[in-house]
Amino acid sequence: GIQVEQSPPDLILQEGANSTLRCNFSDSVNNLQWFHQNPWGQLINLFYIPSGTKQNGRLSATTVATERYSLLYISSSQTTDSGVYFCAFNTDKLIFGTGTRLQVFP
Amino acid sequence: DADVTQTPRNRITKTGKRIMLECSQTKGHDRMYWYRQDPGLGLRLIYYSFDVKDINKGEISDGYSVSRQAQAKFSLSLESAIPNQTALYFCATSGSGVGYTFGSGTRLTVV
Repeated sequence: GIQVEQSPPDLILQEGANSTLRCNFSDSVNNLQWFHQNPWGQLINLFYIPSGTKQNGRLSATTVATERYSLLYISSSQTTDSGVYFCAFNTDKLIFGTGTRLQVFP
Repeated sequence: DADVTQTPRNRITKTGKRIMLECSQTKGHDRMYWYRQDPGLGLRLIYYSFDVKDINKGEISDGYSVSRQAQAKFSLSLESAIPNQTALYFCATSGSGVGYTFGSGTRLTVV
């Protein structure tokens, strides 16, 4: 099956820093989502981004399907950005990546 | 109001008890799912349903059952709860071109 790997696995930032999270997939996919799981366990849909670039406030995402990767950019990070970030793609079920755990300190 | 609502949010139950987790959605999506997440691990699919008359087992369906009462409602039952079913449970919906939306989760503890 298709493998989805994320990097880095862990990231520690000071408030205000920028970061880039990467998602690599082993085969072509025609849909991709980014999720944020906050420290309380809630899974929040950030982007549905099969291709191209989208922006929402301080967050933006780019998927280059032909090169099998997607990037999530977080600018001016805040402590509320802490949690685990997952990319996932959809077949008949959602296949999750390995996750990036982000900790943002004041 | 949330698009995908799960009840209860937290539940502690005893071994051997029957428990039902409920999920309702206002997204108008046909597809609904139940996932479970164990601490430090990813999500695993329990059951999924593509419409009211369609129910499918996921990768870890043993010990669980589901009911799709309507397009908007999908409930998960543990017929006889056991401690290793202690986990965070998520309901989700999906639609064409819009991806998945998850509920806020139900934190279940079986003692």
